[in-house]
Amino acid sequence: QVQLQESGPGLVKPSGTLSLTCAVFGGSINSSHWWSWVRQSPEKGLEWIGEIYHSGSTTYNPSLKSRVIMSVDSSKNQLSLKLRSVTAADTAVYYCARAAVGATDFDYWGQGTQVTVSS
Amino acid sequence: DIQMTQSPSSLSASVGDRVTITCRASQSISSDLNWYQQRPGKAPKLLIYAALALQTGVPSRFSGSGSGTDFTLTISSLQPEDLATYYCQQSNSAPYTFGQGTKLEIK
Repeated sequence: QVQLQESGPGLVKPSGTLSLTCAVFGGSINSSHWWSWVRQSPEKGLEWIGEIYHSGSTTYNPSLKSRVIMSVDSSKNQLSLKLRSVTAADTAVYYCARAAVGATDFDYWGQGTQVTVSS
Repeated sequence: DIQMTQSPSSLSASVGDRVTITCRASQSISSDLNWYQQRPGKAPKLLIYAALALQTGVPSRFSGSGSGTDFTLTISSLQPEDLATYYCQQSNSAPYTFGQGTKLEIK
């Protein structure tokens, strides 16, 4: 059974950088899956941030592309998200999710982590 | 971006009722449509993928249909544990987008 677990600071200052990690248990991050970050806020609902493959290939949402960096650490079996120059509009619950092989339906999700942008 | 519009935004139904939720895409997405259930305080859970395929472990009272721009999620006989918000998501082209959600309440 694959499990995903997000972690990171729950509070980030405006103009700072949001940094989260997602640890993968019960499966290898080097498998034939793409790994995504999705966030959820009352204002915007569910918003796909982007995806990464274990090779390092990425696809980002154009609305966030200029501020996002995703990476994979195969030695730790985890992926990371960095979002710079944050504002209050980036306050949300952040999820990591696994896409099914050869598809982009998300079959496994982490429990989510709340990130608040505030001074 | 492809816009996904769900209707209704909320609905209330009784145990045993047949419930239908609709999702419309702003352009054709073939059958690249997925449905998720999100219970309060939990992460979304995949119910239906590729418009009509039931995810492993999901009760057979859930079904999906449609193609092109119009899709439907049906719960054939509503159960108390189906209290949740339901989302559609298009996986046809990035950025992958979600509907705004349908909140289902049990009468």
